[in-house]
Amino acid sequence: DVVMTQSPLSLPVTLGQPASISCRSSESLVSSDGSTYLNWFQQRPGQSPRRLIYKISNRDSGVPERFSGSGSGTDFTLKISRVEAEDVGVYYCMQGSQWPLTFGGGTKVEIK
Amino acid sequence: QVQLVESGGGVVQPGKSLRLSCGASGFTFSSYGMHWVRQAPGKGLEWLGVISYDGSKKIFADSVKGRFNVSRDNSKNTVILQMDSLRAEDTAMYYCVKDQTWNWGQGTLVVVSP
Repeated sequence: DVVMTQSPLSLPVTLGQPASISCRSSESLVSSDGSTYLNWFQQRPGQSPRRLIYKISNRDSGVPERFSGSGSGTDFTLKISRVEAEDVGVYYCMQGSQWPLTFGGGTKVEIK
Repeated sequence: QVQLVESGGGVVQPGKSLRLSCGASGFTFSSYGMHWVRQAPGKGLEWLGVISYDGSKKIFADSVKGRFNVSRDNSKNTVILQMDSLRAEDTAMYYCVKDQTWNWGQGTLVVVSP
């Protein structure tokens, strides 16, 4: 199975400052069709997760532009350009390139 | 808009079975695969399995293979997670998720306890 490793575990951020979360996979996520199925999810306290980013860098509808994804192969990053209070929660990366699908352990974003 | 509503959770004894249901609306249900994902209390997300749009293909995580099964009824826009031989470590919130766009339901809580 592909192991997804996120860092840091916890990320205290000052409002208005940038934040960056790393996600590394144990194998390349380039699929046989040439696409890389790396997603990012946000789970606010007490809520279900929602997808923010798909295929490395594509924002889902309604996702603010301050969220961006980048990376390739085995190394991926989610960036928040200026953290807002509503961004508090846990962020997960997930690979969809190989069965079984696997999630990273999560990164908790909190306000300093 | 996509709506997914899980039901059927509750408290169940170890070794027993439980059947979760997920009702879908707001999209053409018969065109999409459906996933099940769970989250143990205070823990991360664990993908459990997927059923194809027509029910012909199913894939499961090793942790539940042989104990859990997924089925669907496209005439009723419903997907079912049948859980057998439940263990304490199956205690979690269970979510159904629409494939491709990864829309999530609100979840249903399963507690496995004597």
